[in-house]
Amino acid sequence: DAGVIQSPRHEVTEMGQEVTLRCKPISGHDYLFWYRQTMMRGLELLIYFNNNVPIDDSGMPEDRFSAKMPNASFSTLKIQPSEPRDSAVYFCASRLELWADTQYFGPGTRLTVL
Amino acid sequence: GENVEQHPSTLSVQEGDSAVIKCTYSDSASNYFPWYKQELGKGPQLIIDIRSNVGEKKDQRIAVTLNKTAKHFSLHITETQPEDSAVYFCAARRMEYGNKLVFGAGTILRVKS
Repeated sequence: DAGVIQSPRHEVTEMGQEVTLRCKPISGHDYLFWYRQTMMRGLELLIYFNNNVPIDDSGMPEDRFSAKMPNASFSTLKIQPSEPRDSAVYFCASRLELWADTQYFGPGTRLTVL
Repeated sequence: GENVEQHPSTLSVQEGDSAVIKCTYSDSASNYFPWYKQELGKGPQLIIDIRSNVGEKKDQRIAVTLNKTAKHFSLHITETQPEDSAVYFCAARRMEYGNKLVFGAGTILRVKS
């Protein structure tokens, strides 16, 4: 298996622009997680899905952030409009099922908002 | 909710020495405790984990110990090598209820050769 796939790996944009991050989870995994990593706040869980349904979005910082999972093999995290403080590394992760141990992380998308 | 504290924030050891990283958790119902290693430019990768019904687990040079009474768990790396240099995260989760892994702040481990 190719593992969790994220694109793009790097994104540089200007303040006010829309940003879309993409994730393909491992095939057959029921759970998908979006994290944000910064030096100040470490690894923060933004939202997670179970069987394509958003379960907990309490970590989404504000209405500028939205996430979708239209099918079992694809998810997006959108920021509109982007701000410099959104600059971070965004990780997607997937897990097989409720009782599964291992959560597999993708390589991340480094977002820079100028 | 669960809160995980991790110490130290940075750790430097000489190659061949042992390294120990400690974490404490707040929710006594948490029953799954993984450790992740993150190398530069990569996502975190699971290196070892332990469930609450086990006190210790080993995998070659790495081991994890759990003290449920004190609500703390530790990562032990023996015979450290330069390739062990990375950021290590501990985490806690209650497996049968809620699916959130709550992460510690991370420890930067540097192994000097």
